[in-house]
Amino acid sequence: KAGVTQTPRYLIKTRGQQVTLSCSPISGHRSVSWYQQTPGQGLQFLFEYFSETQRNKGNFPGRFSGRQFSNSRSEMNVSTLELGDSALYLCASGVAEAWEQYFGPGTRLTVT
Amino acid sequence: AQSVTQPDIHITVSEGASLELRCNYSYGATPYLFWYVQSPGQGLQLLLKYFSGDTLVQGIKGFEAEFKRSQSSFNLRKPSVHWSDAAEYFCAVGAGGAQKLVFGQGTRLTINP
Repeated sequence: KAGVTQTPRYLIKTRGQQVTLSCSPISGHRSVSWYQQTPGQGLQFLFEYFSETQRNKGNFPGRFSGRQFSNSRSEMNVSTLELGDSALYLCASGVAEAWEQYFGPGTRLTVT
Repeated sequence: AQSVTQPDIHITVSEGASLELRCNYSYGATPYLFWYVQSPGQGLQLLLKYFSGDTLVQGIKGFEAEFKRSQSSFNLRKPSVHWSDAAEYFCAVGAGGAQKLVFGQGTRLTINP
């Protein structure tokens, strides 16, 4: 099976802009989670979607949002970008409540 | 709140030597525990997991981990490291339902030839 894919892999944006990141889960996986990884804060949970519904959300401002489509693909959006949003954004997919999550390679976002 | 502590930020070992990476967690109920590895520029790869049962779990790449409830620990071990094991290792606890993982800060492993 193909692994989790994330597009784009690298992105450079300017403060105040918005950005959309995409994640395609492993075939058959209906749960998609998003994490932010920074040198200072480490890996932090953003949100999780299952069957197009957000089931859990981390402690991030409302500028961070996401959605999931009927084919389980997911997108996350960050509006009004700040310098501190520069990070590696990781997507993970899993099977319902199995708890095993498989991570994609991430999208490296740089905000200038 | 759930938390994970990895006391060692950076560890250096010689190739062929044994390895132990420490992980302590804080969680009220029986935890789901994981170890992941991340190579530079890559995503996270699951090494092993503990849900219940036998407290010594085997993973991929020759790694094992032992769950000790009395010490709230889940230390990762490998009897003989290879140069390709150089990476960053993350311990995580599954907490709060719906596939939310809480990660430790990570331990960077360097291998001396």
